[in-house]
Amino acid sequence: DAGITQSPRHKVTETGTPVTLRCHQTENHRYMYWYRQDPGHGLRLIHYSYGVKDTDKGEVSDGYSVSRSKTEDFLLTLESATSSQTSVYFCAIRQSRGGTEAFFGQGTRLTVV
Amino acid sequence: AQSVTQPDIHITVSEGASLELRCNYSYGATPYLFWYVQSPGQGLQLLLKYFSGDTLVQGIKGFEAEFKRSQSSFNLRKPSVHWSDAAEYFCAVGADSGGGADGLTFGKGTHLIIQP
Repeated sequence: DAGITQSPRHKVTETGTPVTLRCHQTENHRYMYWYRQDPGHGLRLIHYSYGVKDTDKGEVSDGYSVSRSKTEDFLLTLESATSSQTSVYFCAIRQSRGGTEAFFGQGTRLTVV
Repeated sequence: AQSVTQPDIHITVSEGASLELRCNYSYGATPYLFWYVQSPGQGLQLLLKYFSGDTLVQGIKGFEAEFKRSQSSFNLRKPSVHWSDAAEYFCAVGADSGGGADGLTFGKGTHLIIQP
């Protein structure tokens, strides 16, 4: 299995509070991604990173920010959580683009009450 | 921008029967195509991928997929399903053009139910 660890695995938080999810990899892959998975929507890209301090927005980036200060860590922050951000969040890594597959973490189930 | 359509939200198949899950993509150039499987409460696992060469691709767990450029399709098949194949299946397309590091674009998934 690819060395990807997401933390926490489960979290319940209140509306309006900040939340940070962490993705840690031991593969030294350049590219890292945050997806959210919701019923009927599949996986949608939130943000991605193509190197240390290099990040960009994905399809559903509103309300989220990311940071990558080290190759191995990619943080996803919800500045002020809302109920619409209740979801399962997956981190993924890729060695390169194009034909290379993405490896996924086990996911973080976030509930905003 | 690329997109993926999985027309079937749910499919029910009897154990031992054959399976075909449909996937259609939209992309301007030769696509990179993937099938992933997700068991309940788990992350996604790669079943197979296509990026060039033989259009019939073999994967893990006895799955195969065929790339048909004329139909913009990449359907997943298995000759005989097992109860353990019950899961969510995702088709995805990857690009390799332009700047940035665009991730894979996923379909909405097909939920496979196996009847005894």
